[in-house]
Amino acid sequence: GENVEQHPSTLSVQEGDSAVIKCTYSDSASNYFPWYKQELGKRPQLIIDIRSNVGEKKDQRIAVTLNKTAKHFSLHITETQPEDSAVYFCAASTPNTGNQFYFGTGTSLTVIP
Amino acid sequence: DSGVTQTPKHLITATGQRVTLRCSPRSGDLSVYWYQQSLDQGLQFLIHYYNGEERAKGNILERFSAQQFPDLHSELNLSSLELGDSALYFCASSVESGMFGETQYFGPGTRLLVL
Repeated sequence: GENVEQHPSTLSVQEGDSAVIKCTYSDSASNYFPWYKQELGKRPQLIIDIRSNVGEKKDQRIAVTLNKTAKHFSLHITETQPEDSAVYFCAASTPNTGNQFYFGTGTSLTVIP
Repeated sequence: DSGVTQTPKHLITATGQRVTLRCSPRSGDLSVYWYQQSLDQGLQFLIHYYNGEERAKGNILERFSAQQFPDLHSELNLSSLELGDSALYFCASSVESGMFGETQYFGPGTRLLVL
């Protein structure tokens, strides 16, 4: 099945700096890549997603890039704020296995004021 | 609020017991997914139901079972509980069967503690 690896596991940045989280996947048939933000004890919340027919997507301070050839995708957060502190998970979905998400192991982001 | 509801929020029980977790998907969503989140295993897919039928199974133990009812709510049954079953259990829902990649909306989770 699909295997998603996520790096780094922890990330600390100064407020206003950028943060980048990277994920790789193994199954070239994967076609949907969401990113979720999870605050302590809360539900994962979708922050941005990208499909395999698109190379980049942006939503205000958040952007995701996808390189299908290299099978990796990245989350970019610009002008970070303390409220961006949370655990971020990437995931991949493969159509021939239904829509189950294969999640990365998460990145704990801390934005230092 | 994602529109997905889960009950109960917290559950404390003893080893060997059986519990039932309940999930109601967003209005109009036909698919329900169950995930287990533990500290050392991250978010693990358990099972997917679409319109009452099982669609996919992940790392679900034989002691665990699930079903989706005609009103589309779903229940996850955990039996012969062990200490290692302590975790957060999330359900998520999406509109269709997900064959083309779909957003899943997560419920607030049920925190299970097995003593």
